[in-house]
Amino acid sequence: ETGVTQTPRHLVMGMTNKKSLKCEQHLGHNAMYWYKQSAKKPLELMFVYSLEERVENNSVPSRFSPECPNSSHLFLHLHTLQPEDSALYLCASSQGAHSTDTQYFGPGTRLTVL
Amino acid sequence: GQQVMQIPQYQHVQEGEDFTTYCNSSTTLSNIQWYKQRPGGHPVFLIQLVKSGEVKKQKRLTFQFGEAKKNSSLHITATQTTDVGTYFCAGPIGAGSYQLTFGKGTKLSVIP
Repeated sequence: ETGVTQTPRHLVMGMTNKKSLKCEQHLGHNAMYWYKQSAKKPLELMFVYSLEERVENNSVPSRFSPECPNSSHLFLHLHTLQPEDSALYLCASSQGAHSTDTQYFGPGTRLTVL
Repeated sequence: GQQVMQIPQYQHVQEGEDFTTYCNSSTTLSNIQWYKQRPGGHPVFLIQLVKSGEVKKQKRLTFQFGEAKKNSSLHITATQTTDVGTYFCAGPIGAGSYQLTFGKGTKLSVIP
């Protein structure tokens, strides 16, 4: 399954670092998503982009900054993170940004904030 | 806030036993999707239900959507070790919401 790729797969960073997560979809989809998956919480939707426009921002702290330069690429820029931000960050894409559209997930980036 | 509730949170079964996970919403859902996440993997789409009372089958998996479209279930007959993983339901929650809200998932362990 290589429809949605994410890099890096693992990332360890200090609280003062700046890093970026990258997602690329090869499915010709128009919508892309960032989710956070922690051990004790359900999948949390962070951002949604449809045709490169952000259509949803679920009260995510400003230390997370998304960027969608085109419909195939999605970035999540990270700065001054907290240890509680350690989690699996999943990217997904779908044909459209509707609840009936199937979402295809990437393998995720396992982020550890020290 | 509004959410999708899933029970049980964990289930351990002997290989060959049946397994069921339930998904409940306080509001009517226009549709519901089910995903499976293997240990160390990412969620993978299984199925979508749209119609009231709908039942769909995939080999040993049976999915149901309640008549009121507020609950759903996934039943696995004669579990196998390959069924191990976390099963999530997801539906659009909130007025006018077109995004999916995921339940916490049911983690299935199968004892050989």
